[in-house]
Amino acid sequence: AQKITQTQPGMFVQEKEAVTLDCTYDTSDPSYGLFWYKQPSSGEMIFLIYQGSYDQQNATEGRYSLNFQKARKSANLVISASQLGDSAMYFCAMREVFSMDTGRRALTFGSGTRLQVQP
Amino acid sequence: DTEVTQTPKHLVMGMTNKKSLKCEQHMGHRAMYWYKQKAKKPPELMFVYSYEKLSINESVPSRFSPECPNSSLLNLHLHALQPEDSALYLCASSQGLEQGYGYTFGSGTRLTVV
Repeated sequence: AQKITQTQPGMFVQEKEAVTLDCTYDTSDPSYGLFWYKQPSSGEMIFLIYQGSYDQQNATEGRYSLNFQKARKSANLVISASQLGDSAMYFCAMREVFSMDTGRRALTFGSGTRLQVQP
Repeated sequence: DTEVTQTPKHLVMGMTNKKSLKCEQHMGHRAMYWYKQKAKKPPELMFVYSYEKLSINESVPSRFSPECPNSSLLNLHLHALQPEDSALYLCASSQGLEQGYGYTFGSGTRLTVV
């Protein structure tokens, strides 16, 4: 079963505007971590932001914030004041600390959202 | 030093060749990972080494053979690959398999099998 769902294959945003990239997840593990990565065309996976399942406050890192709604199992990424350099593929990922499926103790990725920032 | 270094960046190999991908980190991380990423798809986990021991093998064909010579190095040995094995191979490291923060990825090796 799909554990990480990103329903937006592609998104467009105007430069300097904010954009929200959606991510929902499914887990029965009470302890898990949620991550967002940016992947430009060069291929490198760039870490953006992390949210632990027990964290009380939403994570923020500069222009990136994570809208964590635990009961809804969603972890949307908000990018404020978009820049042309933000154009890239964005992946939501999760790891489950106590999963019986040992592979899920490592990062599992959603299908990604391609963001294009327009001038 | 907060980098994961992968070499080579690009590799073209024939189906009868033997080649190796190399990954190195000097952050003191004790877990290292190989992911395979096909075009327009997310990365898929292949192998995990934790404290230099193979912890996770996601049913990867035997033509891919991982090796962890020490805590800083991770190799992926390739033999008799198929054209469908062409992909971006990403290496990553983290403090530990049981510690869920601080994954660092290398820039990847783009492999083409001809």
